Amino acid sequence: QQPVQSPQAVILREGEDAVINCSSSKALYSVHWYRQKHGEAPVFLMILLKGGEQKGHEKISASFNEKKQQSSLYLTASQLSYSGTYFCGTSMRAGGTSYGKLTFGQGTILTVHP
Amino acid sequence: NAGVTQTPKFRILKIGQSMTLQCTQDMNHNYMYWYRQDPGMGLKLIYYSVGAGITDKGEVPNGYNVSRSTTEDFPLRLELAAPSQTSVYFCASRPQSIQGRGNIQYFGAGTRLSVL
Repeated sequence: QQPVQSPQAVILREGEDAVINCSSSKALYSVHWYRQKHGEAPVFLMILLKGGEQKGHEKISASFNEKKQQSSLYLTASQLSYSGTYFCGTSMRAGGTSYGKLTFGQGTILTVHP
Repeated sequence: NAGVTQTPKFRILKIGQSMTLQCTQDMNHNYMYWYRQDPGMGLKLIYYSVGAGITDKGEVPNGYNVSRSTTEDFPLRLELAAPSQTSVYFCASRPQSIQGRGNIQYFGAGTRLSVL
C-alpha cells in the first residue's frame, strides 16, 4: 500500500518553514525520509521507528504519529539547498521479516526561491 | 568510498533489444534492490535480494530478470525492451538490520533508459 504524501508541491522563499506529511492506511514500523535533487539519486535524511523519538538534523526534523500512522517532515528556515523532491519510504515490519523493503510515496516537490 | 555503482549512466534501446544494467556495491551489504522511477513518480520496487543466490520479485517485476552470484553484484536484465520500460533505474543496498536502528538504503546514481 503506497503511502500518500501531501502537499504535492511547495514553493517557499528562503527563511520560510514547510511541513511535508506522509500518511499510511496500514500500521507502520518505520518511516524513512529521502531528498532527491533533479537528475540525482535519493539521499537519506532520517529514519523514524515505531516507538522512537522525534529525529532532527540541523534545521530539518521529523516526527512519527503512531495513532494516525503519519509522519511529518519539518523544514525550518529553508535554504536554497533544500530544493528538491522529498520522498517518504515506509515499512510495515521490522527489517528482518520485511527484508528491508520500502514502499515509497509519490514525492513532494519543494522549491526554495531567494 | 565507491558505495553503490551503476553502469551505464544512460542508454537508448530499440524495441525488442536486450541489455543488462550493472550494479555493484563495496560495502559488503547483504540486501540489494532494484527500483524504477517514472517521471514525477515515486520509486517502484522491481526485484530484491537478501544475499548471494537469493532473489525475489518486488512490485513490478514483469519484463525483468535478476541474478545474484556474489555479494557485490546485482545485475538487472531486460530481455525484450518495450517503450513502457523507459524509466530511470536505481539500485540500492543496505546492511543487515541492527536492532532499533532501522534499515537505511544507499542508492546508486541511476541509469536513464529510453526505449524507442
